[in-house]
Amino acid sequence: SAVISQKPSRDICQRGTSLTIQCQVDSQVTMMFWYRQQPGQSLTLIATANQGSEATYESGFVIDKFPISRPNLTFSTLTVSNMSPEDSSIYLCSAQRTDTQYFGPGTRLTVL
Amino acid sequence: DAKTTQPPSMDCAEGRAANLPCNHSTISGNEYVYWYRQIHSQGPQYIIHGLKNNETNEMASLIITEDRKSSTLILPHATLRDTAVYYCIVRLTGTASKLTFGTGTRLQVTL
Repeated sequence: SAVISQKPSRDICQRGTSLTIQCQVDSQVTMMFWYRQQPGQSLTLIATANQGSEATYESGFVIDKFPISRPNLTFSTLTVSNMSPEDSSIYLCSAQRTDTQYFGPGTRLTVL
Repeated sequence: DAKTTQPPSMDCAEGRAANLPCNHSTISGNEYVYWYRQIHSQGPQYIIHGLKNNETNEMASLIITEDRKSSTLILPHATLRDTAVYYCIVRLTGTASKLTFGTGTRLQVTL
């Protein structure tokens, strides 16, 4: 398995501001992913983050709104930019080891 | 990736086996069946996965039908801590394949 931590675990932010979420994996992995889970909904993939290349975004998600960094094989960040109340969600990162994805505990974001 | 169908909810008495079904009738030969669970908005927890053979680990057993069109996750002795949403996901092998989460089955384990 993989041990994944996220910071912050939760935050309350004001409309129009930005928040950067950090994801740390306990060992090197090639593929990392960022998901969003809106209240009462299932998980939706935002983007795939590969080290040394641009993140690949899913339909409906854009780099200007959700910039991602992947500076090395154990770390990634997701920024939620110019936030609105509709961005209130749980944001989860995951990492793939062999054929399995493992998830972090999530960051619960509330935008007022 | 093939679509999966799961019942929206199930109940199970504590100590009994919980059998969670999943239909994936359009699964292709190079797609695995994965099971995850999510306890009260925590990060999803990997349970088990398989291709065509039945699989067992310390958490659960996975039974895949011979035609691979359906599978069953078995929790042999359910406890209250197993109350969660269980997701059955069909996924291509290989490092570039993503997980597509459906709505899952909400399992309620009761005394």
